[in-house]
Amino acid sequence: EIVMTQSPDTLSVSPGEGATLSCRATQSVSSNLAWYQQKRGQAPRLLIYAASTRATGIPARFSGSGSGTEFTLSISSLQSEDFAVYYCQQYNNWPALTFGGGTKVEIK
Amino acid sequence: QVQLVESGGGVVQTGGSLRLSCVTSGFSFSTYAMHWVRHAPGKGLEWVSYIWSEETDKFYADSVKGRFTISRDNSKNTLYLQMNSLRAEDTAVYYCVRSGSSRQLDYWGQGTLVSVSS
Repeated sequence: EIVMTQSPDTLSVSPGEGATLSCRATQSVSSNLAWYQQKRGQAPRLLIYAASTRATGIPARFSGSGSGTEFTLSISSLQSEDFAVYYCQQYNNWPALTFGGGTKVEIK
Repeated sequence: QVQLVESGGGVVQTGGSLRLSCVTSGFSFSTYAMHWVRHAPGKGLEWVSYIWSEETDKFYADSVKGRFTISRDNSKNTLYLQMNSLRAEDTAVYYCVRSGSSRQLDYWGQGTLVSVSS
């Protein structure tokens, strides 16, 4: 099983500032990596797939990078609606998908 | 627009059974692979099961293998998850999820809560 590890667990950010979230895989997942945003009481929403491709309707302030085992989700100039939990997920080992433990982005 | 609506969750005793349904609309259901993903309280997301568009391939997480069965009825645009021998650790919100063209999980239902109590 490919284990996904996210860091940090919690990130405190002021509105308008940027944020960088990390995700590491225990073995290479190539670029088969997605990021999801989940707000309390809601279903996850796809943000990024193929490591760096924004999903339909996702604002340009969200960007993804990386390949192999190291990945990053960057959010520039956080808006109030961006405070949520973010999960990375690999789909290289299809269809046994695995998710990271999540990073909570909270208001500082 | 794409919609996925789960139902069938509830409270069940340990060892009991439940059948979840996911009615879909807004896309050609029969041409898409589908997943079930769950979210237990205080934990992260966990992939549960996958089914190919024509039901020829099915896969399960080790934690549910032998107890859960995924199926679909393409004539009714509906995905199912039969859950037997339920355990306390199966307590979670269960999401029906569409697999996109690049294997990303591109659309999620609102989820249905399954609570297993002793």
